[in-house]
Amino acid sequence: DGGITQSPKYLFRKEGQNVTLSCEQNLNHDAMYWYRQDPGQGLRLIYYSQIVNDFQKGDIAEGYSVSREKKESFPLTVTSAQKNPTAFYLCASSTRVGPDTQYFGPGTRLTVL
Amino acid sequence: AQTVTQSQPEMSVQEAETVTLSCTYDTSESDYYLFWYKQPPSRQMILVIRQEAYKQQNATENRFSVNFQKAAKSFSLKISDSQLGDAAMYFCAYRSFRNSGGSNYKLTFGKGTLLTVNP
Repeated sequence: DGGITQSPKYLFRKEGQNVTLSCEQNLNHDAMYWYRQDPGQGLRLIYYSQIVNDFQKGDIAEGYSVSREKKESFPLTVTSAQKNPTAFYLCASSTRVGPDTQYFGPGTRLTVL
Repeated sequence: AQTVTQSQPEMSVQEAETVTLSCTYDTSESDYYLFWYKQPPSRQMILVIRQEAYKQQNATENRFSVNFQKAAKSFSLKISDSQLGDAAMYFCAYRSFRNSGGSNYKLTFGKGTLLTVNP
């Protein structure tokens, strides 16, 4: 089955630690995205990548980093510089033609202890 | 910058009835896409329906339809014959049509409307 997987589902981090969230897709999509969702808020874009080895900052990139070494994978690292990392993180992917509808993974809930 | 507003934080509907969720947006662009996504308790975002702004005909997907009023910048979602499985948070989202240095790929979301379906 084609789709987007994210792991882990739940992640706990101690203050001062970096953690990496995994996102993999087998939809053959060129573009991938990371969003953050806070309670009572819509989704906000952290980073996006249109092609392998290229990525761009979104609206709230500070304290986050990404890589795009493979078309299928777009991992997100939450660094210790992110002051309020507790949130729900969603990964999405899309083609780069037409309406480019974004399809989402199941998400990762990150909690800082 | 585009903004999306969902003025109804919560809505409720009786099973089998019809409900309409509101969405307005602000943009200076003439071509764009609009989406409704559903987020059930599992928190997976699921595409409900999509509308291209250059199409005058309102999009329809089974029990879901939209009322797209371009001049008013309004994009409401109508759910007919509501089912218990429709209970979820619904998000309206906007995406630019133009390729402006890659930023057109960004989805701008409203804050969502929580829909409760009563049996």
